[in-house]
Amino acid sequence: RKEVEQDPGPFNVPEGATVAFNCTYSNSASQSFFWYRQDCRKEPKLLMSVYSSGNEDGRFTAQLNRASQYISLLIRDSKLSDSATYLCVVTLTDSWGKLQFGAGTQVVVTP
Amino acid sequence: SAVISQKPSRDICQRGTSLTIQCQVDSQVTMMFWYRQQPGQSLTLIATANQGSEATYESGFVIDKFPISRPNLTFSTLTVSNMSPEDSSIYLCSVEARQGPSYEQYFGPGTRLTVT
Repeated sequence: RKEVEQDPGPFNVPEGATVAFNCTYSNSASQSFFWYRQDCRKEPKLLMSVYSSGNEDGRFTAQLNRASQYISLLIRDSKLSDSATYLCVVTLTDSWGKLQFGAGTQVVVTP
Repeated sequence: SAVISQKPSRDICQRGTSLTIQCQVDSQVTMMFWYRQQPGQSLTLIATANQGSEATYESGFVIDKFPISRPNLTFSTLTVSNMSPEDSSIYLCSVEARQGPSYEQYFGPGTRLTVT
């Protein structure tokens, strides 16, 4: 079983709509959680950290459910520029150090 | 934030040869890492490049195949030795840098390697 699992998608989303997807992790000792964004043929870039209380950054909302061991990402009012692969990342340590990546969820926003 | 550059950006190599990838950061960082992203897959950590000591390798990766140097706090190299087509991948350098009260991890643009 993979340490971090994601639905690969693609999620085809009309512009302006809302899309949400989850990521499950297997190690209950995981301490830090993040969403990264990776555009085609580019390096991953940090989108947002995920805090226990949930957090929001503009149109993006991240939630953490430790009991069920999953995190979620919700994108409101989708823009064409949101089309990308979203990588779920967890780490066992307080410092970022060794990141464990999911395989990514592809989101395609259509006009 | 940290700005990271990698050389080369891409290369096509013959099997049996070796390629050394360079990673340069614009500021001194303690933690540097090397990842691999094979086609259609996610990133896998190869090793942590430690300044002044040997790199720490993850399961499935060995020093003879992926020797790493870390001569100072702004530079590291990864060598892919005795290459085979299975080594075709994107190799990414990353660093952990302080961002305000917390740490963030930044990635270089990657080196796209094709082994024929």
